[in-house]
Amino acid sequence: GNSVTQMEGPVTLSEEAFLTINCTYTATGYPSLFWYVQYPGEGLQLLLKATKADDKGSNKGFEATYRKETTSFHLEKGSVQVSDSAVYFCALSRQDNAGNMLTFGGGTRLMVKP
Amino acid sequence: DAGVTQSPTHLIKTRGQHVTLRCSPISGHKSVSWYQQVLGQGPQFIFQYYEKEERGRGNFPDRFSARQFPNYSSELNVNALLLGDSALYLCASSLVFLANEKLFFGSGTQLSVL
Repeated sequence: GNSVTQMEGPVTLSEEAFLTINCTYTATGYPSLFWYVQYPGEGLQLLLKATKADDKGSNKGFEATYRKETTSFHLEKGSVQVSDSAVYFCALSRQDNAGNMLTFGGGTRLMVKP
Repeated sequence: DAGVTQSPTHLIKTRGQHVTLRCSPISGHKSVSWYQQVLGQGPQFIFQYYEKEERGRGNFPDRFSARQFPNYSSELNVNALLLGDSALYLCASSLVFLANEKLFFGSGTQLSVL
């Protein structure tokens, strides 16, 4: 079956540091890949997505590249801010007629200190 | 425009009771999905409905059921509550149910089973 594995947190960084959150997946076929972010007290929000191999998703300074050869979709940001403190979830959706049901990783909490 | 709204925001029940959670999707969205998020874990898919028909079901017992109404709002019902059902229940809506489509999440209903 499909599964997503993320690096465990919390990840604690100083402001302006470089961020990498690792994500690897197991899936049949060619899933779409997503990063969702959950700020305290809020629902999940889509951060970025990629729908085929070698696609790069980007938003708000965050980037992730769909690497089929390594089954990875690592999230990166060059300079984090305190406002980036949140929980980040990597997810995939099945690429068949079963719709857009998502399989999520366990989440990685990011804490950015001033 | 209103986002995905869920009610109630918090709920306390005792073992063996029944609970109904409600979700109103974004106007124009025809697909509603339900996810269970246990503390410290990623969301787990429970159900997806599109045009009032069940289009997907996750690995949850028959105590969990759902339905979608003609106005596309949805209810999630859980019978014979167990302590392990304590979680944040998230509703998500989308226009249709394509694999690479963005899901819009509500803030969730926090269910505590005592």
